[in-house]
Order: sequence, then C-alpha cells, then structure tokens
Amino acid sequence: GENVEQHPSTLSVQEGDSAVIKCTYSDSASNYFPWYKQELGKRPQLIIDIRSNVGEKKDQRIAVTLNKTAKHFSLHITETQPEDSAVYFCAASYNTNAGKSTFGDGTTLTVKP
Amino acid sequence: DTGVSQNPRHKITKRGQNVTFRCDPISEHNRLYWYRQTLGQGPEFLTYFQNEAQLEKSRLLSDRFSAERPKGSFSTLEIQRTEQGDSAMYLCASSLPQGAKTETQYFGPGTRLLVL
Repeated sequence: GENVEQHPSTLSVQEGDSAVIKCTYSDSASNYFPWYKQELGKRPQLIIDIRSNVGEKKDQRIAVTLNKTAKHFSLHITETQPEDSAVYFCAASYNTNAGKSTFGDGTTLTVKP
Repeated sequence: DTGVSQNPRHKITKRGQNVTFRCDPISEHNRLYWYRQTLGQGPEFLTYFQNEAQLEKSRLLSDRFSAERPKGSFSTLEIQRTEQGDSAMYLCASSLPQGAKTETQYFGPGTRLLVL
C-alpha cells in the first residue's frame, strides 16, 4: 500500500519568514495530493491540493509543488503569520482506489511573532 | 451547518463496553470515510463507503469494529468490547463521487473516545 513520509515533524519560524514542508510517497499510481491544516482540537481542513498532471499550484501565500519522478511534493507558506501556527498534514490518494487518502504524520508549525 | 457532523463529540467508556458513533455527511456526497487519529499522527484510514456499499476495510479494522451506512446517507461505526488501545479521535469524511469536479474530502469534527 501507499506510504507517505513527512518532514520536518516540527518547524518554528519568525513571523514574515517562509515555511516549507516536504512529503514523499511510495505508490507511483497516486494522483491526488491534498494538504490539510489542523488546529488544536479541530477538524482537518483542506488548504490546497494538487493533481498529478500539474507541477505547481498557488493560492495567495500558499503554494504546492509536485515532482512525480521523485515522488515528492512540498507545501510552501510565504509571509507567515501567527495564525498559520497549526499542524499540517500531507496526503496521497488515487482514483482507482476510490480516493482513500494516506496521510503523513504531520508537521507542527509555530510562527513566532 | 451544512458540513459533516459527528455525534457524540466525546465518549468515555469502560474497557469491555460497546460504543457506537454516528456520522452525517454533506448531503450530496455519496462517498463516506472513517479514519482514526491518535496524538501526534495523521489520520489512518479505517473504511470507506460509496452510497450504502462498504467497498474497502483497512487491516486496522479488527473484528471488533463494524461500520454501516444502511441508506447511503448517515453512517455508524461500532466498536465492541472496547480496549484501552481504541482510545483515539475517530474522524468521518465525505466527498463527491469519482469523476466529480473535486474529490476533496471534508472532515467532521470527530468523536474523541477514551477507554478507561
């Protein structure tokens, strides 16, 4: 089955700096890669996603890049703000398996004011 | 609130007791997923429904676990003879059918289970 590894497990940055979180996956059939933000005690919420036919996607301060050959994808947050502090999860899934997602273990991001 | 809802939000039970959780997905979503999340880890897939059909079960789902979605709308997850290792957050998610514009999974708030 699919295996997703996520690094780093914790990340601390100063407000205004950029943050990068990286994930690797094992199954080359995976074709959909969402990123979720989970605040303490709350549900995971999708912040951005990318399909395997796209190499990069941006949404304001957030961007995701995908390297299919190397089987890794990354989340980039620019101009970080204290409210970006949360746990971020990457995931990988593929349509032929009905879209179930395999998640990484999460990155705890702390943005210091 | 038109999002995914779960009940109860918290459940404390004694080892050996049975518990049942409910998930109400977003109304037009025919796919429904159950995940389990323990502290410091990402959600782990348990099982998946398309309409009323349970199409996949993880090896994590022992014989003590059963899930149903009888009418293709809400779903229940039952754990029999609970063990302390069952303590976790149980998350439900739903999504549109395969081939839809988006396959985003929307999560519910979860049910936090504590087995004493």
